[in-house]
Amino acid sequence: DVVMTQTPVSMSVSLGGQVSISCRSSQSLVHNNGNTYLSWYIQKPSQSPQLLIYKVSNRFSGISDRFSGSGSGTDFTLKISRVEPDDLGVYYCGQGTQYPLTFGSGTKLEIK
Amino acid sequence: EVKLAVHGGGLVEPGSSLRLSCVASGFTLGDYYMEWVRQAPGKGLEWIAATRNRAKDYSAEYSVSVNGRFTISRDVSQNILYLHMNNLKTEDTGIYYCARDVGGIDDYWGQGVMVTVSS
Repeated sequence: DVVMTQTPVSMSVSLGGQVSISCRSSQSLVHNNGNTYLSWYIQKPSQSPQLLIYKVSNRFSGISDRFSGSGSGTDFTLKISRVEPDDLGVYYCGQGTQYPLTFGSGTKLEIK
Repeated sequence: EVKLAVHGGGLVEPGSSLRLSCVASGFTLGDYYMEWVRQAPGKGLEWIAATRNRAKDYSAEYSVSVNGRFTISRDVSQNILYLHMNNLKTEDTGIYYCARDVGGIDDYWGQGVMVTVSS
């Protein structure tokens, strides 16, 4: 199984600030078809997870350009710029390259 | 508009069965891979089951934790995804979400239902 390791576990940021979340996979996430199925999700308090970024760096429909994803192979990063109050929640990376699908353990973002 | 509405959660005793439903609207269920993901209280996300689309004969994949006890299925005529859960254990307690899978990407998620397994 692909193990997804996220850091940090939690972080606190001031409004308007910038944060980076790291996600590392135990195996390369490059699929046989050449795509890398690494996604980022946010779970806001008491809500279902929502897709933010897919295939490493593509923003999902309606997602602000304050969110950006980067990386390749086994090492990936989510950056959030100009943090707003609505950004608080738990961020998960997830891989869809192979079954079983797996998620990171989450990064809790708090607003100072 | 894509919507997924999950139904069927509740409190059950260990060893019992339960069926969850995920009513899909805004798209044709048979055209998409679909998944169930759960979240134990205070914990992270755990993928548990997936079913491929019509083109792939709706074949299924399961996590080790539920394989042999849970079955994912769908009624394409009604656009409903199911999760049949047998021999439930206390460790199956959690919120269960259905999600639409577009090439390994969970683009839409249902609201989740709570399943509590306790004596």
